[in-house]
This record gives sequence, C-alpha cells and structure tokens, in this order.
Amino acid sequence: QVQLVESGGGVVQPGRSLRLSCAASGFIFSRNGMHWVRQAPGKGLEWVAFMSYDGHYKYYLESVRGRFTISRDNSKNTLYLEMNSLRPEDTAVYYCAKESGWPVVYYYMDVWGRGTTVTVSS
Amino acid sequence: SYVVTQTPSLSVAPGQTATISCEGDHIGTKSVHWYQQRPGQAPLLVLYDDRDRPSGIPERFSGANSGNTATLTISRVEAGDEADYYCQVWDSISDQVAFGGGTKLTV
Repeated sequence: QVQLVESGGGVVQPGRSLRLSCAASGFIFSRNGMHWVRQAPGKGLEWVAFMSYDGHYKYYLESVRGRFTISRDNSKNTLYLEMNSLRPEDTAVYYCAKESGWPVVYYYMDVWGRGTTVTVSS
Repeated sequence: SYVVTQTPSLSVAPGQTATISCEGDHIGTKSVHWYQQRPGQAPLLVLYDDRDRPSGIPERFSGANSGNTATLTISRVEAGDEADYYCQVWDSISDQVAFGGGTKLTV
C-alpha cells in the first residue's frame, strides 16, 4: 500500500538547521509531485512547499522562502526539507503528502504521512 | 496570497446533517478539496474537485462550490465523523496552496 514515513524531527535552537526526510513506498515516486504541510500545536494546517516529480518546479510558503529548501532523490524514493535559520514559529508537526495528479498536477494531496515533530526553542 | 475562511466550530446531533462552509473570493472558479483530521491523526482526503469522493469515503459526504462559498455536507452524521475539517485550494496567482482555518465538528 502507499506509505509515507517522515523522520528527522527534533528539538533545535533558534537560528539552527534541521533536515527532514520522507521515505515513500507503494507507488512510483518519480511520477508524482510532493508536498510538505505543517501544523503548529493546536493550530490548523499550513502548506509549506511543493516539488514537481522531476524537481523542475518548486513553490514555497512566503514565510519560509529563502530559509527552507525542498528536494528529492527519486533513486531513493525520498523527499527532503532542509530548514535553515529556524524560528520558534516554525515549531510544528511536519507532514509530507503525495500530490494526487500525474502527469497533470492538481495541487491536492491524496496520501499523507504521520508527521514528524519539530520544536524550535532555546 | 489567497485567503480561505471557515467557521471555527459546528455542533450537530447524531443522524442530522452537517454543513461546513469555506469562503473565498470567487472560490467557485477554483477546485476545492476537503480533508478530515481526527484527533492525533494525519489528515485524510474526503472530497476533491468540489464534489468527488476518493474510494472508501461514504456517500454521506458530498460537496458543492459556487460564487464565494464552497460547502462540505455530511448527511446522517455519526460519532466517528467528529473531527476537524479543512478546505484547500490552489492559488495560481501566488503559486501557493491555501488551507482554510479548519472547522471543528462536534457530534
């Protein structure tokens, strides 16, 4: 079955960096775009970034642009999120999610991982 | 960026109908997608493209979208439907995904 498993979360001080990973299985990873979505404690869902199947297109939430970088390794069926200059407001559960469409991108998510928690605190 | 607004909470008795709204400027011209998130769980897609249901989602879940409002309707509400519900669109102007703030459905 389709499965997404995030890892790499933890506690980090403000200004430091962290890299999240998302291991995909059960589908042809190289065919689908992928998203990162986060959820701060007690808050709603907030989309963070999208990457097309081939890495050609990348889109970011305005508040993370220039600090976060989405990337993927299709040979390893893995999605990444490199987070730099972290701020307390980046504290959240980070979900990776599979883009629904191929080859057309519809920009909604049909499969989600269980998330990994990032806490930015001194 | 595109702003999507949802009523924060809704309470419905079992067996009744829940109507969850999602408002945005000319949202009727966009495709709206809906997610259910039960406490402690990851979101689950329940409707896509305004009204289509993924496999496994009961027919009790339906949707509509026109003008400035999209709606998710849950008929014959059950205790297991208690969750947060989020609408979502793609804003092609800003190249960003936008989520509504979520509606907490209490049964």
